Amino acid sequence: ELKVEQNPLFLSMQEGKNYTIYCNYSTTSDRLYWYRQDPGKSLESLFVLLSNGAVKQEGRLMASLDTKARLSTLHITAAVHDLSATYFCAVNTGDSNYQLIWGAGTKLIIKP
Amino acid sequence: EAGVAQSPRYKIIEKRQSVAFWCNPISGHATLYWYQQILGQGPKLLIQFQNNGVVDDSQLPKDRFSAERLKGVDSTLKIQPAKLEDSAVYLCASSSLRGVNQPQHFGDGTRLSIL
Repeated sequence: ELKVEQNPLFLSMQEGKNYTIYCNYSTTSDRLYWYRQDPGKSLESLFVLLSNGAVKQEGRLMASLDTKARLSTLHITAAVHDLSATYFCAVNTGDSNYQLIWGAGTKLIIKP
Repeated sequence: EAGVAQSPRYKIIEKRQSVAFWCNPISGHATLYWYQQILGQGPKLLIQFQNNGVVDDSQLPKDRFSAERLKGVDSTLKIQPAKLEDSAVYLCASSSLRGVNQPQHFGDGTRLSIL
């Protein structure tokens, strides 16, 4: 059974700092997704990572995937207050239904 | 393109009452998902449709939950009777081509409170 673990679950940091959120998963998978959720809002797709070594960047966020280590990272560079949100990773189950198993989320608070 | 539409946004009912949620996916998206998201947790899949057929409903509590997607477009999710533990946000998502390489697109959700 595929399990997805994120850490940390909660992170409070100052603007301008760098930090990394980790997403570990328990069995082989070929697709990993990162989403952002603002309080009371829906889930917004950030990145789709499809292969080992994949790296994608958007603004101050960069995501990478290491399928051999079953690990994805979401790196935040020079954080700004607007990036405060909960970040989820989701891993494809690998079956023909293309379902996702979700991490518990990392609540990120960036203080001005 | 228009996003996934859900209604209502909020619903408060007493336990043992019934409630229904509606979802209209992105036009042309064949796959539709209903998720339950409890506060502080990631979404949990309840049911997945491909067009108007059920692909997976293994995590749907069928004694109280039901869902349908008539004509392969709109979908409704019903709870009858509701229990306190059903308090959650119910999210609808859709994707094209059975989600291959594409992210799922989510609606704003329905926040359900059971009293």
